[in-house]
Amino acid sequence: AQTVTQSQPEMSVQEAETVTLSCTYDTSESDYYLFWYKQPPSRQMILVIRQEAYKQQNATENRFSVNFQKAAKSFSLKISDSQLGDAAMYFCAYRRTGTASKLTFGTGTRLQVTL
Amino acid sequence: DSGVTQTPKHLITATGQRVTLRCSPRSGDLSVYWYQQSLDQGLQFLIQYYNGEERAKGNILERFSAQQFPDLHSELNLSSLELGDSALYFCASSVGPIYGYTFGSGTRLTVV
Repeated sequence: AQTVTQSQPEMSVQEAETVTLSCTYDTSESDYYLFWYKQPPSRQMILVIRQEAYKQQNATENRFSVNFQKAAKSFSLKISDSQLGDAAMYFCAYRRTGTASKLTFGTGTRLQVTL
Repeated sequence: DSGVTQTPKHLITATGQRVTLRCSPRSGDLSVYWYQQSLDQGLQFLIQYYNGEERAKGNILERFSAQQFPDLHSELNLSSLELGDSALYFCASSVGPIYGYTFGSGTRLTVV
């Protein structure tokens, strides 16, 4: 079974600084998808960024980028120029290919942003 | 508005009771997923439906059941409720694996 591990329960970053959240996963599949979701205090789940395993290029969405290391099964999220609104729980998730496949989530990292 | 509609948003009920949570997926999405999130916990997968058929079951209790109807909306039924069932229940839909999920805003269930 696939597992997703987020080893940092909590992280803190100063406003305007950069922070990296770690995620590792375990799978025997060669093709799959990886995601980062953000859950602010409102508890809404918001997709931040996604990565297709067959693509070597790291995904980027504005201030959010990933470092995808397929051989190491590592998928970290970098947030640049951190803003107060970035404070949230961040969940890493894995999904294999297949129309009806499900997302497997990590346990989350709570990010605090300080002034 | 994500396009996934969950009702009700809040529900308070007593132990031993039964409740039904409803989810309407985003237009065109055939897959519906239910997750449970207890306070400050991760998301636990409950069950998945695809075009009306059950596709996968996670850690869903026998007291819980779900179905997906021909119009693709889904209902999660929780019975013989216990205090520990208090949680945020998310529904999500998906059109394909590359797109991840689109989540509803959740139903916050409080059992007293």
